[in-house]
Amino acid sequence: QKEVEQNSGPLSVPEGAIASLNCTYSDRGSQSFFWYRQYSGKSPELIMFIYSNGDKEDGRFTAQLNKASQYVSLLIRDSQPSDSATYLCAVSKSGGYQKVTFGTGTKLQVIP
Amino acid sequence: GAVVSQHPSWVICKSGTSVKIECRSLDFQATTMFWYRQFPKQSLMLMATSNEGSKATYEQGVEKDKFLINHASLTLSTLTVTSAHPEDSSFYICSARLRGLMNTEAFFGQGTRLTVV
Repeated sequence: QKEVEQNSGPLSVPEGAIASLNCTYSDRGSQSFFWYRQYSGKSPELIMFIYSNGDKEDGRFTAQLNKASQYVSLLIRDSQPSDSATYLCAVSKSGGYQKVTFGTGTKLQVIP
Repeated sequence: GAVVSQHPSWVICKSGTSVKIECRSLDFQATTMFWYRQFPKQSLMLMATSNEGSKATYEQGVEKDKFLINHASLTLSTLTVTSAHPEDSSFYICSARLRGLMNTEAFFGQGTRLTVV
C-alpha cells in the first residue's frame, strides 16, 4: 500500500466549476497535510496546509481533513484555466524535522 | 511564505564529472532540509534528509557516496552529484521546513534541472 494515494487523472472540469481532488494516506501518525500545485517543469508551490480535522478555506481553495478516515481533499471553486496543473497531496508527522511524503499527483485540466 | 532559493536552476555536465547544487533558506532558519528527485511524469521522491551539523539520512536505494550532502549552516545545504551519468539526469528539488516541534509548512526551492551528456 502506498503511503499517499491519489487518482492520477486527468480530472477535467469546465471553467467556473468546482474541482474536487482527493487523497488518502496510510500512516495514522501523520499530523501535517499539504496540497501543492506543480506546473510542468516547475517546483511545487504550496496551496494549502492543514493539520486539524475539518475544513480550512483560503480564497477559492478549501482543504478538508478527516483523520479518522485518513482522507484529505482539496476543493477549488470557480476553477480557472490557470488552475490547470498537477496537484500533489503530501503528508508528514509533526515537527519541522520530519520528512514530507508525496502522492503521485492528480492532473487537473480546466476547460475554457 | 518563507523563501527557499536553489542554485543553479539548470546545469548540463559531461558524464563522469561532479555537480554541486545549493539550497538556501533566505528568511528563516532551517534545521532540516530535504532533497527530492523527480523524473518526468513522476512524483517527488525523497532522496535524503539533511540536518545541520550532522550526517544526512538517506532513503533506501539512494547511494550516499554518489549523492553527497552537506548542511554547513542553518541556511545552507548542498547536494553534490559525483561522477554523474546520464541516468542521473533529473529535476532535483530541495525543501526546508521551519524550525520547531509543531506542525510546520514545507517550502520548496525552484529546482535544478540536471542534464548529463
